Amino acid sequence: AQSVAQPEDQVNVAEGNPLTVKCTYSVSGNPYLFWYVQYPNRGLQFLLKYITGDNLVKGSYGFEAEFNKSQTSFHLKKPSALVSDSALYFCAVRANTGGFKTIFGAGTRLFVKA
Amino acid sequence: SQTIHQWPATLVQPVGSPLSLECTVEGTSNPNLYWYRQAAGRGLQLLFYSVGIGQISSEVPQNLSASRPQDRQFILSSKKLLLSDSGFYLCAWRTGPYNEQFFGPGTRLTVL
Repeated sequence: AQSVAQPEDQVNVAEGNPLTVKCTYSVSGNPYLFWYVQYPNRGLQFLLKYITGDNLVKGSYGFEAEFNKSQTSFHLKKPSALVSDSALYFCAVRANTGGFKTIFGAGTRLFVKA
Repeated sequence: SQTIHQWPATLVQPVGSPLSLECTVEGTSNPNLYWYRQAAGRGLQLLFYSVGIGQISSEVPQNLSASRPQDRQFILSSKKLLLSDSGFYLCAWRTGPYNEQFFGPGTRLTVL
């Protein structure tokens, strides 16, 4: 069965500092991995994805994520956090075996303090 | 370009009343469509998905149902709402096996 774990309910970081939001996954076969961001009372917005190829994936708003197959992780990173990055972040996984369902993590709330 | 609409944006309904939430997608054809519920601003619960007109898969037993009368229209319904149906309902679509999902703006449902 597929699953996604986001071990931190909340991450606090000062503006200008690097940020990391953690994600680990479990899936049969090779994974398709995604990060989404949600602002209050809005739908989710796609940030980036890993399908195949280079383990370091770059996405929107300066975010990037590194796929680590041995650790089954896909952590989201940004070199310098902005106050406007404060939001709820979701990691998601889908197996490459042709399924229709994407499994989402419980979400991590990011607070960036000025 | 593709867009996804959901309405209404907010809804307050009494317990036992019926429900109809609508989602429409523009600018794409034959999408996979999804209904999610999000409680208390946290995780997403997949309720239904559809791979084509009239094809609905249910993920959890509940008093909700879904229908897909047209290729780009997805409707979430209930005959009698429960207090536990309150939440933020999100519609999403996807095409292709490698692609991300695109989410609508959501409907905030409060059952009193």
